[in-house]
Amino acid sequence: GDSVTQMEGPVTLSEEAFLTINCTYTATGYPSLFWYVQYPGEGLQLLLKATKADDKGSNKGFEATYRKETTSFHLEKGSVQVSDSAVYFCALSPSSNTGKLIFGQGTTLQVKP
Amino acid sequence: DAGVIQSPRHEVTEMGQEVTLRCKPISGHDYLFWYRQTMMRGLELLIYFNNNVPIDDSGMPEDRFSAKMPNASFSTLKIQPSEPRDSAVYFCASSQEGPGKLFFGSGTQLSVL
Repeated sequence: GDSVTQMEGPVTLSEEAFLTINCTYTATGYPSLFWYVQYPGEGLQLLLKATKADDKGSNKGFEATYRKETTSFHLEKGSVQVSDSAVYFCALSPSSNTGKLIFGQGTTLQVKP
Repeated sequence: DAGVIQSPRHEVTEMGQEVTLRCKPISGHDYLFWYRQTMMRGLELLIYFNNNVPIDDSGMPEDRFSAKMPNASFSTLKIQPSEPRDSAVYFCASSQEGPGKLFFGSGTQLSVL
């Protein structure tokens, strides 16, 4: 079945460091891909999305490119801030449009000043 | 809009008791989702509704769990009887366009002793 695999955390970085959180997926057809972020004590929020191959989603300095050839959707940011500390979830919506959004396990990011 | 509203924020109960979690989706959203989040299993979709009709309840763990959506502005998730393994954070989310852009509530932290 469809699934999402994320790199295990926690990821600990110093402020202004470069961030990469890896995400790969398994799915038939052409799913849509998403990154959600969860700040402490809150629900998830959509960070960015891409709906077809080679699309780049971007928001708040974060970027991710839909790579069909490598079935990946890695999250990147050039310079992280302490306020970026959160849990990041990669997710896919199957091309069959079943209505389900399948999440990865989440990766915790800790940014130290 | 106030966003997705869940109640209660925290629930502590004893094994065997009935638990009812409540959700008010964002007005105008046609989709409502119930997720459960645990450290071991991550985010799991329990059930989702479209226009108040349950579409997929394959994630509901067992008959002890039931969900209803009597109207467009209210949904409940009931566990009867509750068990310690039901302890988790339960999120409600709503969407205007299916599984893509979900708006999550702040969640209900359930502890079953």
